[in-house]
Amino acid sequence: ETGVTQTPRHLVMGMTNKKSLKCEQHLGHNAMYWYKQSAKKPLELMFVYNFKEQTENNSVPSRFSPECPNSSHLFLHLHTLQPEDSALYLCASSQDTSGGARGDTQYFGPGTRLTVL
Amino acid sequence: GQNIDQPTEMTATEGAIVQINCTYQTSGFNGLFWYQQHAGEAPTFLSYNVLDGLEEKGRFSSFLSRSKGYSYLLLKELQMKDSASYLCAALDSNYQLIWGAGTKLIIKP
Repeated sequence: ETGVTQTPRHLVMGMTNKKSLKCEQHLGHNAMYWYKQSAKKPLELMFVYNFKEQTENNSVPSRFSPECPNSSHLFLHLHTLQPEDSALYLCASSQDTSGGARGDTQYFGPGTRLTVL
Repeated sequence: GQNIDQPTEMTATEGAIVQINCTYQTSGFNGLFWYQQHAGEAPTFLSYNVLDGLEEKGRFSSFLSRSKGYSYLLLKELQMKDSASYLCAALDSNYQLIWGAGTKLIIKP
């Protein structure tokens, strides 16, 4: 148990659907992250929030919309996705994004396996 | 550009020792992480090195050479449960993690 939970664990959606992914961390961290993980590729950082403020958006298409209502919760709203968006979406948290003594170790949730038909 | 290289797949025998190498090229350097990821599960933190040398943690050890841009993860007394992907990630000068594609380790009886 890493202290980071994600729901749903699996999601199948059509290209015209709207759905949301939810992440919750119970570690008292201030920074939260969304990653995309595709087979045999490095983790792709999508969004970073630090103290509820978005600090990074790595040129992610607008069909992905993040929301961070507080330091413990992070959402990823999905609409009009494409089949190539099928992947494992991982949420992570860390103490903050400034480095710190341990380089801000990130703790991951189990991910949402997304399939876009 | 920034880059992490690690082998795609390795195979080892139960009870043996395996070394997974990682080379990195980053803009600045603030440390290197190793994570373990079992299929369908979350990556879990294994180690963090920022100084040169070997750090041992039970059956797992991690080594770093900053001058060579090189790290390795050493797994001893391999067990079947060690079958997983091992992710190498370097922290650049902006404290952004640069990830490798991961090494899938297959353990055979």
